[in-house]
Amino acid sequence: GENVEQHPSTLSVQEGDSAVIKCTYSDSASNYFPWYKQELGKRPQLIIDIRSNVGEKKDQRIAVTLNKTAKHFSLHITETQPEDSAVYFCAARLSGYSTLTFGKGTMLLVSP
Amino acid sequence: DTEVTQTPKHLVMGMTNKKSLKCEQHMGHRAMYWYKQKAKKPPELMFVYSYEKLSINESVPSRFSPECPNSSLLNLHLHALQPEDSALYLCASSQASGQGAFVYEQYFGPGTRLTVT
Repeated sequence: GENVEQHPSTLSVQEGDSAVIKCTYSDSASNYFPWYKQELGKRPQLIIDIRSNVGEKKDQRIAVTLNKTAKHFSLHITETQPEDSAVYFCAARLSGYSTLTFGKGTMLLVSP
Repeated sequence: DTEVTQTPKHLVMGMTNKKSLKCEQHMGHRAMYWYKQKAKKPPELMFVYSYEKLSINESVPSRFSPECPNSSLLNLHLHALQPEDSALYLCASSQASGQGAFVYEQYFGPGTRLTVT
């Protein structure tokens, strides 16, 4: 089955700095890579995703990059704000399946 | 509309009680999921229903019993739970494989915070 590794487990930045979270996956048949943000006590919220036929996708201050050869993908948050503080999970979906395999999560803390 | 709803928000139950969690979506999704989430951990898949049929059971103890009455509803029946079953139970939905080309997004409900005493 698929295995997803996520680093770092915690990340502290100052407001305005950039934050990068990295994930690697094991199965080259994976074709969809979403990122979820989960605030304390709330549901995981889909914030951005990328498919295997695309190398990069941006949405305002967040972007995701995918390197299929190296089997890794990354979340980039620019101009971080305190409200970006949350746990971020990456995930991967195997082609032909609907289930997701999640990374262990990264706790991002943005200090004012 | 990308909303998945769950009831109740909070549930406290004793180890001899029987209770049910409910989940509903109206996005036309034919895949629905139950996850268990412990604090600071990723969601852990429990069950998957695809086209109202149970397609995946991740070796979940029989004290958890899922049910999918129709394409919009998903229930999780609880009986004789243990204190270690206390967690956030999340429902999610997505297009099922074969339902729609290249539509993969999976959306979560707000969860039920379960405490077993």
